[in-house]
Amino acid sequence: ETGVTQTPRHLVMGMTNKKSLKCEQHLGHNAMYWYKQSAKKPLELMFVYSLEERVENNSVPSRFSPECPNSSHLFLHLHTLQPEDSALYLCASSREGYDTGELFFGEGSRLTVL
Amino acid sequence: KQEVTQIPAALSVPEGENLVLNCSFTDSAIYNLQWFRQDPGKGLTSLLLIQSSQREQTSGRLNASLDKSSGRSTLYIAASQPGDSATYLCAVVGETSGSRLTFGEGTQLTVNP
Repeated sequence: ETGVTQTPRHLVMGMTNKKSLKCEQHLGHNAMYWYKQSAKKPLELMFVYSLEERVENNSVPSRFSPECPNSSHLFLHLHTLQPEDSALYLCASSREGYDTGELFFGEGSRLTVL
Repeated sequence: KQEVTQIPAALSVPEGENLVLNCSFTDSAIYNLQWFRQDPGKGLTSLLLIQSSQREQTSGRLNASLDKSSGRSTLYIAASQPGDSATYLCAVVGETSGSRLTFGEGTQLTVNP
């Protein structure tokens, strides 16, 4: 039990579909993150939310749209994706700040774009 | 720009052996360094966190060291077990990056029974 829950665990979608990934944390943290993990590449930071405000967007294409309605929930809305977007999408949370301590990850959502 | 390198990329050892995984980073101005474990198709599990003021952290059979000035960290695993088989990732939080982690590509460890 990691305290960070992601759904769905697996998702297959066509390039014209619209779907969403969901992340929920029960750790009382105030920062949440989306990372992308592709084969044989380091984890790539996509978005950071601190106190429900987006504080970082790492040049992510607009076909990925994050949403953070409160400090416990984070969504990643997906539309008109490309096959190269197939990857493991990981959500994480932490206390925000420069002595932020540990980052806690969910199990990930494995996305396949056909 | 911070870069994190992990050597070796893959390692295969017999059960019971002690082993060392290496991590290096290019910018020594860091707040902390974290070691993670990732099982295939799963998320990351935090193993050890070392603050920049610390030299090492221990948890069970794991010991992580940090030499901030030289930009290096090692993860020592004692008496390895088949259940230790996983990918091990290190990541650093730089002083200019807030709480954003920069990850290495990981070391894939296989412990053979």
